[in-house]
Amino acid sequence: GNSVTQMEGPVTLSEEAFLTINCTYTATGYPSLFWYVQYPGEGLQLLLKATKADDKGSNKGFEATYRKETTSFHLEKGSVQVSDSAVYFCALSDPFSGGGADGLTFGKGTHLIIQP
Amino acid sequence: DAGVTQSPTHLIKTRGQQVTLRCSPKSGHDTVSWYQQALGQGPQFIFQYYEEEERQRGNFPDRFSGHQFPNYSSELNVNALLLGDSALYLCASSPDRGSVAYNEQFFGPGTRLTVL
Repeated sequence: GNSVTQMEGPVTLSEEAFLTINCTYTATGYPSLFWYVQYPGEGLQLLLKATKADDKGSNKGFEATYRKETTSFHLEKGSVQVSDSAVYFCALSDPFSGGGADGLTFGKGTHLIIQP
Repeated sequence: DAGVTQSPTHLIKTRGQQVTLRCSPKSGHDTVSWYQQALGQGPQFIFQYYEEEERQRGNFPDRFSGHQFPNYSSELNVNALLLGDSALYLCASSPDRGSVAYNEQFFGPGTRLTVL
């Protein structure tokens, strides 16, 4: 079956540091890959996505590249801010293995803490 | 645009009871998915509804059932509640397959269910 593995948290960084959150996946078909963010007390928000190999998703200074050869979709940001503190979830959808539906498979989440 | 809305916000039940959670999708979306998020974990896919039928189901027992109405809103029903059903229940909606963004799911704020 499908699965997503992401680095354990919490990850604590100083403001303006470089961020990498690792994500690897296992899928039977050709998945689309996503990063979602959950700010304290709020619901999940789509941060970025990539739908095929070598695609790069980007949003709000965050980037992730779909690497089929390493089955990875690592999240990066060049200079983090205190406002980036949140829980980040890597996820995939694989409609060709799920009867045509798009149910998301999530990782366990990485809690990011940015200190001023 | 109201986005995805869910009701109630919080709910407390006792073991053995039944519960119904409600979701209204984002305007223009016809597909609704439900997820269970235990504390400190990533969301787990329960099922997805499209055209008033269950299109895909995750690894959840038959105690979890759902419904989608002609206006695309949806209900999640859980029978014979167990302590382990305590979680945040998230509803997500997505546009139809003809949309470029068909695989982007927009999440509601969730319903926090506590089973005593």
